[in-house]
Amino acid sequence: QKEVEQNSGPLSVPEGAIASLNCTYSDRVSQSFFWYRQYSGKSPELIMSIYSNGDKEDGRFTAQLNKASQYVSLLIRDSQPSDSATYLCAVNRDDKIIFGKGTRLHILP
Amino acid sequence: DVKVTQSSRYLVKRTGEKVFLECVQDMDHENMFWYRQDPGLGLRLIYFSYDVKMKEKGDIPEGYSVSREKKERFSLILESASTNQTSMYLCASSSLVDRVNTEAFFGQGTRLTVV
Repeated sequence: QKEVEQNSGPLSVPEGAIASLNCTYSDRVSQSFFWYRQYSGKSPELIMSIYSNGDKEDGRFTAQLNKASQYVSLLIRDSQPSDSATYLCAVNRDDKIIFGKGTRLHILP
Repeated sequence: DVKVTQSSRYLVKRTGEKVFLECVQDMDHENMFWYRQDPGLGLRLIYFSYDVKMKEKGDIPEGYSVSREKKERFSLILESASTNQTSMYLCASSSLVDRVNTEAFFGQGTRLTVV
């Protein structure tokens, strides 16, 4: 089982709709979780971090964590064309930060 | 703002050369990481360091070594570059709170081509 799994996509979402990105992880003792956005040719930039069960909101973004089910998700409300990018889920494990392969999101104008 | 700076944006080296990739962070972070990113394979951890002179292997350390002589600087060394090391190399740093990593911040990346 891969440590951090994401659907590679592409996920196509109409402009103005909600984009939902999901991630599962294998290590039950992981304690910190992150979502990054990466544009083509650029380095990843942090969107949100989440450390405890439940929802965390920041502007149009909401991260959701469920440790019992070992999944973390990212919701993007009112999707904009500028949200088109690859979204990386990352998980802390044994002092390391391990990344999923990312989900490509395409916002349709 | 956190700043992580990598010494080169683009690099072309010959097979067999010794290559140094440098990374400097200005936020006094304990942890520093080197990843490589390849299409279809995602970000893979090469090495990381949680303190000066300390280093830990990541998932793909073969063919690489690292050096951390100062807290702010973490170097990746390709002892004898090979064409399969052509990749995008990304450095990151993060702080530790109660031994748990907080968010990592990335440098701009170095696109290395080995010919």
